[in-house]
Amino acid sequence: DAGITQSPRHKVTETGTPVTLRCHQTENHRYMYWYRQDPGHGLRLIHYSYGVKDTDKGEVSDGYSVSRSKTEDFLLTLESATSSQTSVYFCAISEGPLSSYEQYFGPGTRLTVT
Amino acid sequence: AQSVTQPDIHITVSEGASLELRCNYSYGATPYLFWYVQSPGQGLQLLLKYFSGDTLVQGIKGFEAEFKRSQSSFNLRKPSVHWSDAAEYFCAVGANTGNQFYFGTGTSLTVIP
Repeated sequence: DAGITQSPRHKVTETGTPVTLRCHQTENHRYMYWYRQDPGHGLRLIHYSYGVKDTDKGEVSDGYSVSRSKTEDFLLTLESATSSQTSVYFCAISEGPLSSYEQYFGPGTRLTVT
Repeated sequence: AQSVTQPDIHITVSEGASLELRCNYSYGATPYLFWYVQSPGQGLQLLLKYFSGDTLVQGIKGFEAEFKRSQSSFNLRKPSVHWSDAAEYFCAVGANTGNQFYFGTGTSLTVIP
């Protein structure tokens, strides 16, 4: 299994509070991704990174920011959490662009915003 | 713009029966096509992928998929389903340029004894 960990695995937070989710990889892959998974929507890309300090927006980036200061870590921040951000968040990594390379997924973080 | 449609939200099959999960895509050129599987409470795992060449692709766990350009389809098949195949299955499409990539909404598979 690819070495991808996510922390925390579960979190309950209140509306309006900031939240940071962490993804850590030991594979030295260049590309990292954050997805959210919601019933009826499948997985939707939030943000991705193609190198240290190189990030770009995905399909559903509003309300989220990311940072990548080291190859192995990719942080997802909800500046002010809202109930619509209750979801399961997955981190993924790949050796090349996601359009053509296999992605390896972490175990997910279940976030509940009350 | 690309899109992926999985018309079956949920499918139930008997153990030992054959399986076909449908996937249709919308894309102007030949896309990169993937099938991923998600077991309960876990992340996704790649089953197989198609980029070019032979339109029948073999994957892990005995799965295969066939690319049919005329039907814009990439259906997943397995000749004999095992109880351990119960999971959620996602079709996905990527463009051969840039970082465009989209998952379908998934098909949940239940296997009954």
